[in-house]
Amino acid sequence: GAVVSQHPSRVICKSGTSVKIECRSLDFQATTMFWYRQFPKQSLMLMATSNEGSKATYEQGVEKDKFLINHASLTLSTLTVTSAHPEDSSFYICSAFLANEQFFGPGTRLTVL
Amino acid sequence: AQSVTQLDSQVPVFEEAPVELRCNYSSSVSVYLFWYVQYPNQGLQLLLKYLSGSTLVKGINGFEAEFNKSQTSFHLRKPSVHISDTAEYFCAVTASGGYQKVTFGTGTKLQVIP
Repeated sequence: GAVVSQHPSRVICKSGTSVKIECRSLDFQATTMFWYRQFPKQSLMLMATSNEGSKATYEQGVEKDKFLINHASLTLSTLTVTSAHPEDSSFYICSAFLANEQFFGPGTRLTVL
Repeated sequence: AQSVTQLDSQVPVFEEAPVELRCNYSSSVSVYLFWYVQYPNQGLQLLLKYLSGSTLVKGINGFEAEFNKSQTSFHLRKPSVHISDTAEYFCAVTASGGYQKVTFGTGTKLQVIP
């Protein structure tokens, strides 16, 4: 099956710094990728839809200036958490579609101190 | 828009016993349905999916699910669970046609008791 990777798998940063998370489709091209956020013991909440070559579409309640998404190529989407605060600590997961199936990355655990 | 309800937040079951995890969905259009498994601190792995055709879908690790349109359900079953099946299970729905936003249920924690 198709493989989606994320980097880093884990990041710890100080409050006020920015963190970039990469999502790559390793063996297929993805014009559309999705970014999800998962709080402990909760479900995945869609944050935004990332479209190659155009602006991302954010879900209601998600601050686009806080969570910057760039889909620069057909295999790479990045999520930058700007001026991170402890409440941004979460598990971030990306995904990409291939043939009606959504493939998920392994996730990135962000901890903001 | 679609929605998914997983009524059971936790399901304890003894090893080698059968299990059913319930999932109901709501949608005004035709849908694709999925079950995913998530182990601690990991991403999601697809167990099985229903796109069309036979309503009984078989997946990996001995799991199966049945799509019931009249009851808008997609319950997940396994005849005999193993310790290794202990994980979080998510039911998900999307409008059919591909490349659509996926909506997840709140998850069911399956706890297999030795």
